Amino acid sequence: DGGITQSPKYLFRKEGQNVTLSCEQNLNHDAMYWYRQDPGQGLRLIYYSQIVNDFQKGDIAEGYSVSREKKESFPLTVTSAQKNPTAFYLCASSNTDRGYKETQYFGPGTRLLVL
Amino acid sequence: QKEVEQNSGPLSVPEGAIASLNCTYSDRGSQSFFWYRQYSGKSPELIMFIYSNGDKEDGRFTAQLNKASQYVSLLIRDSQPSDSATYLCASDGGGTSYGKLTFGQGTILTVHP
Repeated sequence: DGGITQSPKYLFRKEGQNVTLSCEQNLNHDAMYWYRQDPGQGLRLIYYSQIVNDFQKGDIAEGYSVSREKKESFPLTVTSAQKNPTAFYLCASSNTDRGYKETQYFGPGTRLLVL
Repeated sequence: QKEVEQNSGPLSVPEGAIASLNCTYSDRGSQSFFWYRQYSGKSPELIMFIYSNGDKEDGRFTAQLNKASQYVSLLIRDSQPSDSATYLCASDGGGTSYGKLTFGQGTILTVHP
């Protein structure tokens, strides 16, 4: 099955702890994205990557870090500098061929809670 | 700041009615527009995209785009209780924001039997 997987489904973070959210895709998409969604809100872009070994900050990158060492993988680390990390985190990917109009497809999400 | 605004909800319609969801965008450079459906606790799933002025139909769904008015809408005909969800509108930034989408805050739709 082609798709995007995210793990874990739920993640609990203690104060001062860094945690890493996993995102893997087997759609052969070049671009990958991380979004944060708060209750009753739309999606806000954290980081995105259009090619391996390159990534760009989105609108709310502070307190987060990413890496893109493989085309299939785009892990997100929520650092202790992120003071309000409780949210629903969504990973997405897209084909950068403009013939597909950048349609983004989403993984199932990770819900992060602070203990 | 590029913005996408959706009509405030929640929107409630009876089963079988037409649900109309509206969205405006601020960036005139935007070229592609997307409608996603998100069930409670789940991730967004793509319903349709549109990039040409006019209407685009897919089953019970019709997307409408008016670039002059910077307006996008989604019509759902013969609404079903299973259509009850949050609908997210998103736009790209055209050549300046290639690959990035800006999302609206979402409109909650409830279809009651």
